[in-house]
Amino acid sequence: EAGVAQSPRYKIIEKRQSVAFWCNPISGHATLYWYQQILGQGPKLLIQFQNNGVVDDSQLPKDRFSAERLKGVDSTLKIQPAKLEDSAVYLCASSPEQEDTQYFGPGTRLTVL
Amino acid sequence: QKEVEQDPGPLSVPEGAIVSLNCTYSNSAFQYFMWYRQYSRKGPELLMYTYSSGNKEDGRFTAQVDKSSKYISLFIRDSQPSDSATYLCAMTEGGYNKLIFGAGTRLAVHP
Repeated sequence: EAGVAQSPRYKIIEKRQSVAFWCNPISGHATLYWYQQILGQGPKLLIQFQNNGVVDDSQLPKDRFSAERLKGVDSTLKIQPAKLEDSAVYLCASSPEQEDTQYFGPGTRLTVL
Repeated sequence: QKEVEQDPGPLSVPEGAIVSLNCTYSNSAFQYFMWYRQYSRKGPELLMYTYSSGNKEDGRFTAQVDKSSKYISLFIRDSQPSDSATYLCAMTEGGYNKLIFGAGTRLAVHP
């Protein structure tokens, strides 16, 4: 079974630029999550999708972050404009319906200069 | 106060040692408890999953949950250099409630 795929693996941008990350979850997984992991901290949930719909985006900074999951499969997370404090690893995870266990992708390491 | 507290370490042990990793939490509604292992520059991978209080064993790993004390532990027996990683505890109330992670404990097992 293929795991969660993410791209790019690394991205370096300057502040005020925009950036987008892509995630393809494990086939058949209804729930998709985006997390932000700052160095030395645990992952923090940004947004959770159940199929096409948003279940929880309470910790998403909506003035600069946006995410979509078209057709209930893959998803993109965008930051526009980026700030220095957005430097982190952005992790995507997915889980089967009605399960709490989450399967993580390798993450995208973002550096904002 | 954070919802989940975890000592960041680092913890350095010799090969073959028994390792104890711990987390405390404040939300008594948490019912599902997990341990993830995260190697450097990789995503977290699920190691152990337990529901409510009690023990669960899987090979060299044992997870313990004490809901009355709001305390969970992961024990690693006969630790190996390949166990060197960051260990993250995580917990949730269940349903559509989000997973809350600890900050992670860095473990180094030296030969």
